[in-house]
Amino acid sequence: GQNIDQPTEMTATEGAIVQINCTYQTSGFDGLFWYQQHAGEAPTFLSYNVLDGLEEKGRFSSFLSRSKGYSYLLLKELQMKDSASYLCAVPPSGGYQKVTFGTGTKLQVIP
Amino acid sequence: SQTIHQWPATLVQPVGSPLSLECTVEGTSNPNLYWYRQAAGRGLQLLFYSVGIGQISSEVPQNLSASRPQDRQFILSSKKLLLSDSGFYLCAWSVLAGGGEQFFGPGTRLTVL
Repeated sequence: GQNIDQPTEMTATEGAIVQINCTYQTSGFDGLFWYQQHAGEAPTFLSYNVLDGLEEKGRFSSFLSRSKGYSYLLLKELQMKDSASYLCAVPPSGGYQKVTFGTGTKLQVIP
Repeated sequence: SQTIHQWPATLVQPVGSPLSLECTVEGTSNPNLYWYRQAAGRGLQLLFYSVGIGQISSEVPQNLSASRPQDRQFILSSKKLLLSDSGFYLCAWSVLAGGGEQFFGPGTRLTVL
């Protein structure tokens, strides 16, 4: 089976940097996704990591350590519009179609 | 480009009434299709997924069912809604077998009274 843990809520200040952690336990591993979900809206794709290390994409970066079962999403130069939930997700291995989503971390950016 | 449509956007239904939510995808062929439910303040719960026409896998036993009558059409149904069926229903598609980036529809907010 697959299990994902994320903090429930975080608060950060506009212009600052915030790191959202995700730990996972899987029977196999085919990468890890991060999605952003604004309140009342559908999730949108942010990043996909399959190899160890940091992937940078503008203000957002995602890190993966497969040996530790650990990932984080790093948001720099926070803006008010970054207030959203951030979902960590692990795709299936072994040919199944079920992606396991974490419950998400609700980030509030304050002035 | 690919797009995904869901309707209706919002729905208020009495307990015991039937349900039909529709999802269609444009601009891609043979997508993997998914139905999720997200209760208030909760994570995404996978309800059904489909890898092809008429092929439906259920993840959670409940009073909901799904059908895929056409390649790019996915329907979520219920004969009798329960109060616990209230939530945000999301349809999604992906290309790669075994996962891959998923693209979500705008969702249907269902309230059962």
